[in-house]
Amino acid sequence: SQELEQSPQSLIVQEGKNLTINCTSSKTLYGLYWYKQKYGEGLIFLMMLQKGGEEKSHEKITAKLDEKKQQSSLHITASQPSHAGIYLCGALPSLSNYGGSQGNLIFGKGTKLSVKP
Amino acid sequence: NAGVTQTPKFQVLKTGQSMTLQCAQDMNHEYMSWYRQDPGMGLRLIHYSVGAGITDQGEVPNGYNVSRSTTEDFPLRLLSAAPSQTSVYFCASSPNGGGYGYTFGSGTRLTVV
Repeated sequence: SQELEQSPQSLIVQEGKNLTINCTSSKTLYGLYWYKQKYGEGLIFLMMLQKGGEEKSHEKITAKLDEKKQQSSLHITASQPSHAGIYLCGALPSLSNYGGSQGNLIFGKGTKLSVKP
Repeated sequence: NAGVTQTPKFQVLKTGQSMTLQCAQDMNHEYMSWYRQDPGMGLRLIHYSVGAGITDQGEVPNGYNVSRSTTEDFPLRLLSAAPSQTSVYFCASSPNGGGYGYTFGSGTRLTVV
């Protein structure tokens, strides 16, 4: 079965610093999703990547999917306390599930980000 | 739009009790799923539905039942609660599965004593 490994498990950065979170798959990804979760709340959709080499940005957050579509990175520039939370990557398990009859996401275990003022 | 609404937000059960976690969405999404989130385990799929009248098991279905009589509602039933079911439960919906971001509810924090 496909697994998603996230690194690091936790991260503490000083406000204003840049940081990167990685998500690695054991198999080719057919849709990679990044979510953010604040403690006690649900998941907020950030971005979805589909094509090898694709890169998307929203405000100070940039997500990339490598050409082989087995690794994604989430980069935060000039971190702020509002960026603190748990970042999760999710993926569709296989091509047959992409837009098909299943379409359920599997998730990494998450990266806990703390930003010190 | 309210999005995905989960009730209750918090619940404490005694071992052996049964209860239903409610999930409703007003976006006319075909796909709905239930996940549980445990420390160090990430999100794991319990059951899912690809449309009214159609449900299937996910990764960790034991001890849970679901039904999907309408597009809007996807309740999760705990048949006989066990301490191992202490977790945070999330309901999610999507227009058609893969290719679109899922919308998550705010979660139900369940404690079984």
